[in-house]
Amino acid sequence: EIVLTQSPGTLSLSPGERATLSCKASQNVNSNYFAWYQQKFGQAPTLLIYAASTRATGIPDRFSGSGSGTDFTLTINRLEPEDFALYYCQQYNFSPRTFGQGTKLEIK
Amino acid sequence: QVQLVQSGAEMQKPGASVTVSCKASGYTFTDYFLHWVRQAPGQGLEWMGWINPKSGGTSFAQRFQGRVTMSRDTPNMTVYMEVTSLTSDDTAVYYCTREKESGYDSYPFDIWGQGTVVIVSS
Repeated sequence: EIVLTQSPGTLSLSPGERATLSCKASQNVNSNYFAWYQQKFGQAPTLLIYAASTRATGIPDRFSGSGSGTDFTLTINRLEPEDFALYYCQQYNFSPRTFGQGTKLEIK
Repeated sequence: QVQLVQSGAEMQKPGASVTVSCKASGYTFTDYFLHWVRQAPGQGLEWMGWINPKSGGTSFAQRFQGRVTMSRDTPNMTVYMEVTSLTSDDTAVYYCTREKESGYDSYPFDIWGQGTVVIVSS
């Protein structure tokens, strides 16, 4: 099973700043099969990024993804108040599908 | 619009079983796998398994094999997940989510249900 480790566990930033979230895989993942999800409190996750760098429908361009192999990054430029939430990475290259443990992005 | 609507909250005793439903609308039901993902209180997302609505085929995470079953009612565009022998560790929000069916490729989970709270307590 591929283990995804996200860092940091919690990120405290102010609106307008840039957030950089990391996800490291225990073995190589084809970047075509890597995604990021956002989860707001009390809500279901929503797809943000797939294929490592492609924004899902309706996702603003301040969200961007990058990476390959074992290292992947989600960057959020010019943080808006609605961006403060939980973020999960996921690989869908191998079964079982696995998620990282999450990064909480909180207002500083 | 495309939606997955889940059944309501459940409270069950240890040792009992629970069945959660997920009704799809707004798309061709048999074109997408339906997966189940759960989230224990304050914890992350845990993939449980999937069902192929076209064939009825299923696949489960190893830790759930033998204790989780999935079925579908194709005319009513609904899938069901049953979890047996419940313990307090099964207390969680259970989500259904869809993945485009390809046969040879994998896709992300693009639409999620609203979640079903299952509480296991004596």
